[in-house]
Amino acid sequence: EVQLLESGGGLVQPGGSLRLSCAASGFTFNKYDMSWVRQAPGKGLEWVSLISGPGDATYYDDSVKGRFTISRDDSKNALYLQMNNLRAEDTAVYYCANRGGLTGSLSFDYWGQGTLVTVSS
Amino acid sequence: VMTQSPVTLPVSPGERATLSCRASRSVRYYLAWYQQKPGQPPRLVIYDTSTRATGIPARFSGSGSGTEFTLTISSLQSEDFGVYYCQQYNNWPLTFGGGTNIEIK
Repeated sequence: EVQLLESGGGLVQPGGSLRLSCAASGFTFNKYDMSWVRQAPGKGLEWVSLISGPGDATYYDDSVKGRFTISRDDSKNALYLQMNNLRAEDTAVYYCANRGGLTGSLSFDYWGQGTLVTVSS
Repeated sequence: VMTQSPVTLPVSPGERATLSCRASRSVRYYLAWYQQKPGQPPRLVIYDTSTRATGIPARFSGSGSGTEFTLTISSLQSEDFGVYYCQQYNNWPLTFGGGTNIEIK
């Protein structure tokens, strides 16, 4: 059974930093692209960042470029998101998502339950 | 930019639901649909425009190409209510539509 378990969310002040983690199991982690998708309270889904299966390519939405860094540790089946210089508009549930693990396509096939990040003073 | 319509769709159980998704530029056939219920993560329903994900019943179907896409639920069941998002994965950045909330009429 595929499992994605996010952790690391919490309350942080504007300008602060937070590191999210996602522990993956049930599939060959190093084969697949992994991504972070967020959802502000009461709002829709917003893609944040993606890292390729080999880890040699990373992509970011413009809203987080230069502030967030995605990384992975295939030896630990883990995905990370380092978030710096956080803003109130970064407040959201952050989901870890696997790309293609079920379909072999480029859709987000598996999702974690999410971790809530609140940026407030 | 992905634009979904309508924002809200009141439907009675057993009725047909048709959801639309429009892309501001071509995404070829690289489009997925997700269902989300309150307090839960999204669930993949359709990928590559028209292929049902594992475990998704045949009453769900997807169609379209380029910039215009449709998700159809032929006979709505109680478990189908929720918010549906389209998402394109042809262009960077990856983008989601704003969602269509299927609610009980």
